[in-house]
Amino acid sequence: EAQVVESGGGWVQPGESLRLSCFASGFIFKYHWMAWIRQAPGKGLEWVAHIKEDTTETYYADSVKGRFTISKDDANNALYLQMNSLRAADTAVYYCVRGGWELDVWGQGTTVTVSS
Amino acid sequence: DVVLTQSPLSLPVTLGQPASISCRSSQSLVYRDGNIYLNWFQQRPGQSPRRLIYKVSNRDSWVPDRFSGSGSGTDFTLKISSVEAEDVGVYYCMVCITPCNGLMQWPPFTFGPGTKLDIK
Repeated sequence: EAQVVESGGGWVQPGESLRLSCFASGFIFKYHWMAWIRQAPGKGLEWVAHIKEDTTETYYADSVKGRFTISKDDANNALYLQMNSLRAADTAVYYCVRGGWELDVWGQGTTVTVSS
Repeated sequence: DVVLTQSPLSLPVTLGQPASISCRSSQSLVYRDGNIYLNWFQQRPGQSPRRLIYKVSNRDSWVPDRFSGSGSGTDFTLKISSVEAEDVGVYYCMVCITPCNGLMQWPPFTFGPGTKLDIK
C-alpha cells in the first residue's frame, strides 16, 4: 500500500526556519511528482509547492516563493520542505501528497505553528 | 487565474437522501489533450483529505458507488445517491490549471472553498 508520512512540524517564532520531511513507502518514489499542500486552522486547502519526478522542475505558490524550498531524495524515498522566514500566516497542517494532478496519496499531516 | 466556486458551502442532509455539490470554474477546464483534470476530495472530521473522484467522473477504488462525478466545460457536480453517516465531512473540488505536469503556468493548482456536509 502506498503511504507517505510527514514529520518535522513544531512551534517556531516569526522569522525562524523549519524543515519538514516526508517518507514514502509502497510505491516507486522516483517516478512520481510530489507536492506539499497546507491547511490553516479551520480553513480550506492551499497548494504550496510541487516537484517533478526527476527534480528538474519545482513550482511554488506566490505566498511562499523565495522562502520555501521543496526537494526530493530518491535514494531515501524522501521529500522535504525547507521553510525560512516563517510568518504567522504559515501556521497550518502541512500535507505531503503524491502526484502532479493526481494527488492520490496523502499523509496524516504535520502541524506548523508560527507565533511569538 | 481560474477561480473555483462551490455551492452550497453548507449542506445538511437527511440520512438516506441524495446530495449534490456544484463546482463551477471561471473558465473552461479542458486541457489540450482533451482531459479535464478536475478532482474531488473528501475530508472527514479530524482526518486528512482523500481523493474521491479524479478527472471529473472516475471513482477511486475505496469509493462506494453511491458517489458519482459529472460535468463538462465549466460546471461540475458531485452527487451522493443516498447519504450515509460516514459521508459527513468537507468536500473540495480541485483543478490542475493548464498545462498539467508540464510547463506549468501560474498557479498550477486551485481548490474550491469546500462544502461542509452534515446530517440533519
